[in-house]
Amino acid sequence: QSALTQPASVSGSPGQSITISCTGTSSDVGSYDLVSWYQQYPGKAPKLMIYEGVNRPSGVSNRFSGSKSGNTASLTISGLQAEDEADYYCCSYAGSSTVFGGGTKLTVL
Amino acid sequence: EVQLVESGGGLVQPGGSLRLSCAASGFIFGSYGMSWVRQAPGKGLEWVSTISGSGGSTYYADSVKGRFTISRDNSKNTLYLQMNSLRAEDTAVYYCAKDLYSSSWYGFDCWGQGTLVTVSS
Repeated sequence: QSALTQPASVSGSPGQSITISCTGTSSDVGSYDLVSWYQQYPGKAPKLMIYEGVNRPSGVSNRFSGSKSGNTASLTISGLQAEDEADYYCCSYAGSSTVFGGGTKLTVL
Repeated sequence: EVQLVESGGGLVQPGGSLRLSCAASGFIFGSYGMSWVRQAPGKGLEWVSTISGSGGSTYYADSVKGRFTISRDNSKNTLYLQMNSLRAEDTAVYYCAKDLYSSSWYGFDCWGQGTLVTVSS
């Protein structure tokens, strides 16, 4: 149950696009289409942004999209807005368990 | 509206026990798996445990296996986490989370506000 690997921080200017990577192994990300992504503001509970790797819950902006290639999943945010500044976590099924990434702090410049 | 409200957190000495509760409303509780996820101060999210809708299947992170027990009372719409042999490294905000589907592992679409557990002498 080792944590998935995410960059500690990413940044972008308003209107730009950024991508956050999430690297796992063939025992988790690489074996299942069960990656989810969460947005978390300081002091708040996480919010589901992407599930099953590519699907957005209702109410989540279509500026958020997910993808996967091999053992790496990615979250892309297009048209960056100030309100997107938050921590983002990936999460994957790992065979009778769940593993999270270490989190990525997104700064909107 | 789906709502999850945790309670039971507090200060406990190392080696002590605590039971967390999560009161659910706004959905058919027994139809969904439920989980506990924790976050140590200033750190990332860590999955702790998951229980199926019926309560018949339970799963634990290696870090808590043998010390924590997840359970549920579907007649009371309540999820529990019994925590024994607590260690300083168990200090965290504990969130309960609802599974997206009746089957677990697809993601957590609703989270409580969290309850803080502090293990210290």
